[in-house]
Order: sequence, then C-alpha cells, then structure tokens
Amino acid sequence: AQSVTQLGSHVSVSEGALVLLRCNYSSSVPPYLFWYVQYPNQGLQLLLKYTTGATLVKGINGFEAEFKKSETSFHLTKPSAHMSDAAEYFCAVRPSTDSWGKLQFGAGTQVVVTP
Amino acid sequence: DAEITQSPRHKITETGRQVTLACHQTWNHNNMFWYRQDLGHGLRLIHYSYGVQDTNKGEVSDGYSVSRSNTEDLPLTLESAASSQTSVYFCASSTLAGGSNTGELFFGEGSRLTVL
Repeated sequence: AQSVTQLGSHVSVSEGALVLLRCNYSSSVPPYLFWYVQYPNQGLQLLLKYTTGATLVKGINGFEAEFKKSETSFHLTKPSAHMSDAAEYFCAVRPSTDSWGKLQFGAGTQVVVTP
Repeated sequence: DAEITQSPRHKITETGRQVTLACHQTWNHNNMFWYRQDLGHGLRLIHYSYGVQDTNKGEVSDGYSVSRSNTEDLPLTLESAASSQTSVYFCASSTLAGGSNTGELFFGEGSRLTVL
C-alpha cells in the first residue's frame, strides 16, 4: 500500500521568498506523483506530475518539483512567492502498476503569503 | 469546454435524513471518484467507478453508496446522514491509465454538507 506524508500543515512565507513544501511517500512499486493546488472554495487543480523520465518536473505558475527515489521525496518549490500562491497544496501518489487512477493524498499544507 | 459539476454546492440537513449529492462530467471519462475532505486528513476516497454498472468501495465507504447508470453521472447517497458526515465532498474523474496517460484526476468544485 502507498502513503503520503506532507511535513507541515501550515507554512508562512514572505512575498518574494522561496516556497518549499515537503512530501515523502511510500510505495512498493515505482510511483506516479502529483501536486495539486486548492484555492478557497474551489476544487483541486493539477500543478504538476511525475511519471517517468526527467526527475525535475516543471508545472504551472512557476512551481517545480524533484523526484528523489533514494529519499522517497517529491518536494515542491517556487523561487519567489507571490500573494496569489496563498492556497492549500496536496501531494498525491499512485502506483504505476495501478491502471485505474486511484490517488492517495497527503493531509495538505496551507500556504500563507505575507507582504 | 468539458467540465465536471457538482450539486448542490451547499446543503444543510438533519441527522437521519437521506441525502444525494450529484456529480456530472462531460469529459466522457470512464473513471469517477468521490472523496471527502476533512481538516487534517486531506482527501479520503469514499467510492469509485471504472465504468457503467461498476462501483467499488474506498477507504471510508461506510454510510455511503453510489450507482453508475451512465458514463456522465455518479451520484453519492448518504443513506442516513450522521454528524460525522459533515464534510466537503469532491467528485473527480479520469481517463483510463496506460501508455502516456497517467490518469490524473479532474475535480469538481465541491459540495459542502452540514449535518445537524
């Protein structure tokens, strides 16, 4: 079975500072990994995903994440935070052998951006 | 544009009542999912369906049921609502995985249910 751990339920960053959200996973087979963002009163939308190939993945809104197999991690970063980045972020995992698309989500990290 | 819509967006009900949350997608996706979102738990899978007439239980399925009579709709029914089912419910859909298709989920905007 797979699981996802997001370190820190709340993160506060200053506008212009680095955003770093941590995600560690456990999976018995190579995983597909996802980061989703949820803005207030909205559904989740995909930020980026890792499937195979290049371990540094670029997504929308300037975010990127790096898959590190040895550390079982998929941390999300953005070099310079913007006020519009205030949202909740979810890491999710799916075993690559699962052909049906069930995702296991982490508990989420709420990001607050201060001026 | 294709989309996934949920209704109602907000509902207040009383303990013991039956409640149905609707989910309709125009992506023509085979796979549909219901999740609930609670503080500190992220999203937890309630039920899912891989096609018409197919339904499966997720990790928190007690007290919930679904039916899939067509590709577009997967209604979620709470047979006898309980206060523990106060939550935000999200419907999602995806295509079959395989090949270059990674099965990413597309989400509705959520239905906030309060059980008094």
